[in-house]
Amino acid sequence: AQTVTQSQPEMSVQEAETVTLSCTYDTSESNYYLFWYKQPPSRQMILVIRQEAYKQQNATENRFSVNFQKAAKSFSLKISDSQLGDTAMYFCAGRMDSSYKLIFGSGTRLLVRP
Amino acid sequence: GAVVSQHPSWVICKSGTSVKIECRSLDFQATTMFWYRQFPKQSLMLMATSNEGSKATYEQGVEKDKFLINHASLTLSTLTVTSAHPEDSSFYICSARDAGQGRDIQYFGAGTRLSVL
Repeated sequence: AQTVTQSQPEMSVQEAETVTLSCTYDTSESNYYLFWYKQPPSRQMILVIRQEAYKQQNATENRFSVNFQKAAKSFSLKISDSQLGDTAMYFCAGRMDSSYKLIFGSGTRLLVRP
Repeated sequence: GAVVSQHPSWVICKSGTSVKIECRSLDFQATTMFWYRQFPKQSLMLMATSNEGSKATYEQGVEKDKFLINHASLTLSTLTVTSAHPEDSSFYICSARDAGQGRDIQYFGAGTRLSVL
């Protein structure tokens, strides 16, 4: 079975500091895509970062980067220089078969403190 | 990123009536769209996959006769909640798959809050 697990229901970080959100997944596929989405209070889902499994290099997007450990099936998100606007729910998701469906984790609520 | 428009953003209806929600991809063609339901403080639950020009594929436990999906063009999918009841009140979100030029990204609409009285 394909699963995505986020074990941190809530996280808190001081503004300007760095925080890492954890995600693990399980799949028997060799090629797949992993994503981090952000859902702020407006509830609009926003793509934060994307990683293709066949690429060994970790994806980065400005202050956001991932630590993709394929053997360990781990896909954590690091947010550097946290900003108040980063306060949101963060969902880890995987597209792990040809159906194109996304499988979502349960989410991590991140609070950035001023 | 690409834009997906979802309307209406909020709808209140009486029990027994039907409600239609539209999902449009504004700057790309989407042969595949998805409909999700999200309960408060929970993750997204996939309801169905909407395929342009063919029948939608529903997830287990989702009533296809209650949640009618039509994907009539490459930029538009609609979800109709038929004979809505209070238990159908929820937040519904659509997404559209952008598969152009080797991409494989789902972009999401802003969601529709449905309240059934």
